[in-house]
Amino acid sequence: DAGITQSPRHKVTETGTPVTLRCHQTENHRYMYWYRQDPGHGLRLIHYSYGVKDTDKGEVSDGYSVSRSKTEDFLLTLESATSSQTSVYFCAISESGRNGYGYTFGSGTRLTVV
Amino acid sequence: GQQLNQSPQSMFIQEGEDVSMNCTSSSIFNTWLWYKQDPGEGPVLLIALYKAGELTSNGRLTAQFGITRKDSFLNISASIPSDVGIYFCAGRTGNQFYFGTGTSLTVIP
Repeated sequence: DAGITQSPRHKVTETGTPVTLRCHQTENHRYMYWYRQDPGHGLRLIHYSYGVKDTDKGEVSDGYSVSRSKTEDFLLTLESATSSQTSVYFCAISESGRNGYGYTFGSGTRLTVV
Repeated sequence: GQQLNQSPQSMFIQEGEDVSMNCTSSSIFNTWLWYKQDPGEGPVLLIALYKAGELTSNGRLTAQFGITRKDSFLNISASIPSDVGIYFCAGRTGNQFYFGTGTSLTVIP
């Protein structure tokens, strides 16, 4: 399997608290992505990165920020968690963003905001 | 964002039957992908399609890139219990992939 790990796998947090999810890869891929998965919506892109310190917004970026200080790590932060951010979060990596090879996904982080 | 409609939403079939599902959009895509997701895991890539009309197989799975570039189809022949899961389509435009809402497949032994 591709070397991509997400941590934590499960988290319960209170409304208004900050939360950081971590994605770590050992493939040295340039592109990294954060998606959220919700019933009836499939997977929706939150933010993505095309290199160290290079990030851009996806279609559901409000309330989220990201950072990539090293090739192997992509962090997703919820500055002040809300119940609407209860979801399963997936990180994905790709060697190239445009060549259509597709993504390799991590196993997900299940976040519950109470 | 882009809207990808997958149908059917769910399927219950007998082991050994063939399965067909599709993904449609009002937008044109340059690449179509099909993924399978097992419970508690991330999606795993099954098949990638790069040209309109392309037909690609991966074992018992066959997928096609629609001629209009607005749709794609996935067929599974002779289903087995381990085919159970959620199947997602994804279409690429520009730098981003957009995902369908998934087809949940249950195979009854």
